[in-house]
Amino acid sequence: GDSVTQTEGPVTLSEGTSLTVNCSYETKQYPTLFWYVQYPGEGPQLLFKVPKANEKGSNRGFEATYNKEATSFHLQKASVQESDSAVYYCAHSNNRIFFGDGTQLVVKP
Amino acid sequence: AQTIHQWPVAEIKAVGSPLSLGCTIKGKSSPNLYWYWQATGGTLQQLFYSITVGQVESVVQLNLSASRPKDDQFILSTEKLLLSHSGFYLCAWSPGLGGQDTQYFGPGTRLLVL
Repeated sequence: GDSVTQTEGPVTLSEGTSLTVNCSYETKQYPTLFWYVQYPGEGPQLLFKVPKANEKGSNRGFEATYNKEATSFHLQKASVQESDSAVYYCAHSNNRIFFGDGTQLVVKP
Repeated sequence: AQTIHQWPVAEIKAVGSPLSLGCTIKGKSSPNLYWYWQATGGTLQQLFYSITVGQVESVVQLNLSASRPKDDQFILSTEKLLLSHSGFYLCAWSPGLGGQDTQYFGPGTRLLVL
């Protein structure tokens, strides 16, 4: 069945270091892939989405490439800031959306 | 621009009491609407979705029900709360029928059942 698996958190980094949050998905169809970010006390908001294989999405310094062969959509950022502390959700959708369990990122100054 | 409003912002309720949470979307006609539940520190669990007035589909019920009385309104309710209902309830909308549409989330309602 459809599923999303992502890096288990919390992930704790120092400001200025690089981030990778792994995301793998399972589906028999051709999904659109998403990364959402949720700040404390708020609803999730779209970070970016990528509808096509082998394309890259990016926003606010975050990026991820839709790797259809590897069924992966890893989130990366070269240099994290304290304000990036949040929970990050990978998701894929066909007829309905499937979210991963979320990865909490804690960035220390 | 579309806006999504949820009410109340937070609730503290007793086990066995009724509950009604609301969600309104402005600036978009005929949106798809969704209810999600999130346990503290937990993932997003889709509960219900609706593509039109009066029509609601259940994904996971958790002893809750949902209704869509108006095009821009989605209600989540139960007659008898359980301790396990505590958590963060999120309403979301998407612009079209396609499952690949982006979902836009509201600010959420935090519920504590004692």
